[in-house]
Amino acid sequence: DTGVSQNPRHKITKRGQNVTFRCDPISEHNRLYWYRQTLGQGPEFLTYFQNEAQLEKSRLLSDRFSAERPKGSFSTLEIQRTEQGDSAMYLCASSLGQARETQYFGPGTRLLVL
Amino acid sequence: AQSVTQLDSQVPVFEEAPVELRCNYSSSVSVYLFWYVQYPNQGLQLLLKYLSGSTLVKGINGFEAEFNKSQTSFHLRKPSVHISDTAEYFCAVINTGGFKTIFGAGTRLFVKA
Repeated sequence: DTGVSQNPRHKITKRGQNVTFRCDPISEHNRLYWYRQTLGQGPEFLTYFQNEAQLEKSRLLSDRFSAERPKGSFSTLEIQRTEQGDSAMYLCASSLGQARETQYFGPGTRLLVL
Repeated sequence: AQSVTQLDSQVPVFEEAPVELRCNYSSSVSVYLFWYVQYPNQGLQLLLKYLSGSTLVKGINGFEAEFNKSQTSFHLRKPSVHISDTAEYFCAVINTGGFKTIFGAGTRLFVKA
């Protein structure tokens, strides 16, 4: 068990460019979450996968955001036409299949949009 | 819908003093309650959680929290803090039948020598 990993750890991009982040959850975890965290705030829920199915998408996620989890393993979060307001830490977490289960967080990907 | 309020954004305290970090929540349905800690440049990790049963929950590193249903609170306590407890602490709730976790804004605990 190597924990949840996220790549890249840091990303600097210019406004209007597309970026993609990857999350590798703990292998036996079927739940996978994406959160966004800005300075001085707690993580904000973005989206959730149960295996390969995306079951919920926050209103925070505009049409420029898309997430996938092919085959129920790793997940990607893509942001198209980035805006300066997208600058944040993007966190991924995974857990076993019930709400009572602990979520294990990755180290995050810090995005800076210039 | 659920919400979480952490009443203190920053808590400075001297080493070996007791500390309480306050958390209040709002929900129309049953929830599970969590405290996570985020050390500088690290990911969030679980301190403790309340699922059911005894309202006093013990976690790692000497922390404990008490669930109070009537006051809708889940305050975190430690009788004697160490410098190494300096971190950001997040209270979170999740619907017992759901998946959407709501986090508070966090409390930055700063332990001074």
